[in-house]
Amino acid sequence: GAVVSQHPSWVICKSGTSVKIECRSLDFQATTMFWYRQFPKQSLMLMATSNEGSKATYEQGVEKDKFLINHASLTLSTLTVTSAHPEDSSFYICSARDDPEEQFFGPGTRLTVL
Amino acid sequence: QQQVKQSPQSLIVQKGGISIINCAYENTAFDYFPWYQQFPGKGPALLIAIRPDVSEKKEGRFTISFNKSAKQFSLHIMDSQPGDSATYFCAAWDSGTYKYIFGTGTRLKVLA
Repeated sequence: GAVVSQHPSWVICKSGTSVKIECRSLDFQATTMFWYRQFPKQSLMLMATSNEGSKATYEQGVEKDKFLINHASLTLSTLTVTSAHPEDSSFYICSARDDPEEQFFGPGTRLTVL
Repeated sequence: QQQVKQSPQSLIVQKGGISIINCAYENTAFDYFPWYQQFPGKGPALLIAIRPDVSEKKEGRFTISFNKSAKQFSLHIMDSQPGDSATYFCAAWDSGTYKYIFGTGTRLKVLA
């Protein structure tokens, strides 16, 4: 299957700082990437859908000014958590869609905000 | 209508046994049904997937059974092994909204 990488795999930051997470499709071009958030022992919660060259589409209840998503190329999408607070601590997972419907997940990024 | 209902929430199986996880949906716009395996601290990995024009798909020890009329599909893990202990998510691709809808997950534990 296709490979999706995420960087960093874990990050600890102080409250009020911003954190950027990168998601890359390594061996295919992804016109669409998805960002998910997962709390312990829960399912994946879709945050936003990111299409190359256009603005991300955010799910209801997700603050677009707090979670900035940029999809600058067919292989890279970034999620920036701005002014992070402890309640933003979570496991963030990206995925990239290969045509037509197959979706491949990255390994996830564990964010801890102190 | 946007939900995928998954059961059971947790499952304990003896080594060598069959693990069965079930999912049900209502939205007829769902037209692709993957199963994902997730280990703690890792991203989900695609296991196997099926389209609604097929009633069964088998890959190694993993089989998806699909009942289009009942809007149900299930994952069977044959000869379950301790290494299969993980959380399994069913999902459905919504061709109307172009996103995946995930089940709530099943935590499988296979006893040695």
